[in-house]
Amino acid sequence: AQSVTQLDSHVSVSEGTPVLLRCNYSSSYSPSLFWYVQHPNKGLQLLLKYTSAATLVKGINGFEAEFKKSETSFHLTKPSAHMSDAAEYFCVVSDRFGNEKLTFGTGTRLTIIP
Amino acid sequence: DAGVIQSPRHEVTEMGQEVTLRCKPISGHDYLFWYRQTMMRGLELLIYFNNNVPIDDSGMPEDRFSAKMPNASFSTLKIQPSEPRDSAVYFCASSGGQGVSRANVLTFGAGSRLTVL
Repeated sequence: AQSVTQLDSHVSVSEGTPVLLRCNYSSSYSPSLFWYVQHPNKGLQLLLKYTSAATLVKGINGFEAEFKKSETSFHLTKPSAHMSDAAEYFCVVSDRFGNEKLTFGTGTRLTIIP
Repeated sequence: DAGVIQSPRHEVTEMGQEVTLRCKPISGHDYLFWYRQTMMRGLELLIYFNNNVPIDDSGMPEDRFSAKMPNASFSTLKIQPSEPRDSAVYFCASSGGQGVSRANVLTFGAGSRLTVL
């Protein structure tokens, strides 16, 4: 069985300050992990993915995430927040390569304070 | 590529009416997914297809919901009869291609917002 827990339902940061969105996962196998972003009234868009290659994964728009097996975490970070980063972020797990049935977290709403 | 195309973008209907949501996946993608998003339950997988064949429909809430994929470029999600609790945003997504680079990567449509009065 696979599951993912997003530890914060809402995060607020000031523009220009670092962003940290936390995600812990549970998986019976070597998981694939993803972060998706959803802007208001839009579909979800892939930010980045981890599939057992490098543990530090770089994505679009300056975001990156680090896979830490010992902590079962896959936190999303960005050094400097931009107003356009305001959105809902979803951490997603697949318990093995080729398993198309993904499990989505409940989402973290990121607010950027001008 | 125009991406995953869903229609209608918005639908308002009355309880008891039939609702049909439509999806055109990305050409060449062999997986198609229907998700439902609500404030209370978040994003739920309803059903997914591989090569037009339903693989897992365990997320379909009840018999009022049905989904079809008659060919590789078209899928429908039907609710009959509709109820107010079906109000949600319904997303279609597709994935496909070969290799690790594409593994499990979903491309989502913009969604169909359904309101049942």
